[in-house]
Amino acid sequence: KAGVTQTPRYLIKTRGQQVTLSCSPISGHRSVSWYQQTPGQGLQFLFEYFSETQRNKGNFPGRFSGRQFSNSRSEMNVSTLELGDSALYLCASREGVGQETQYFGPGTRLLVL
Amino acid sequence: GENVEQHPSTLSVQEGDSAVIKCTYSDSASNYFPWYKQELGKGPQLIIDIRSNVGEKKDQRIAVTLNKTAKHFSLHITETQPEDSAVYFCAAYGGFQKLVFGTGTRLLVSP
Repeated sequence: KAGVTQTPRYLIKTRGQQVTLSCSPISGHRSVSWYQQTPGQGLQFLFEYFSETQRNKGNFPGRFSGRQFSNSRSEMNVSTLELGDSALYLCASREGVGQETQYFGPGTRLLVL
Repeated sequence: GENVEQHPSTLSVQEGDSAVIKCTYSDSASNYFPWYKQELGKGPQLIIDIRSNVGEKKDQRIAVTLNKTAKHFSLHITETQPEDSAVYFCAAYGGFQKLVFGTGTRLLVSP
């Protein structure tokens, strides 16, 4: 099976702009989680989607949003970008919503200037 | 909610030595504990995992041990090689089946 894929891999934006990142989970996986990774804060949970519904949400402002489509692909959007949003955004998928193995994609590196 | 503590934050060893990374968790309902390895510029890769009905699991040079009573689990790497240099994360599931990660251990293996 193909692994988790994320597009784009790299992105440069300026403050105030918005950005949309995409994640395609492993075939058959219905749960997609998003994480923000920065050197100082480690892996921070953003949100999780299952069957097109948001199940969990981390402690991020409303500028961060996401959605999931019927084919389990997911997108996350960040509006009104700030310098502090520069990070590696990781997507992970698992089959369901139990205590299962989660597989990560390669990430999208976002730089906000 | 679940809290996962990981130490040490950095670990330097000589090639061929063993390396041990330790994690503790707080939620007694957790029963699945994965370990991930993250190399520079890549996403975390699962290297080994363990479930609470097992005390130890091995895969070649890596092993994980779990003590449910004490709520801690450890990663053991034997005969370390330079390619083992990376950041390692432990994790445990907490409330609402959300995976909670430790803060990471940067392992440096010197030739």
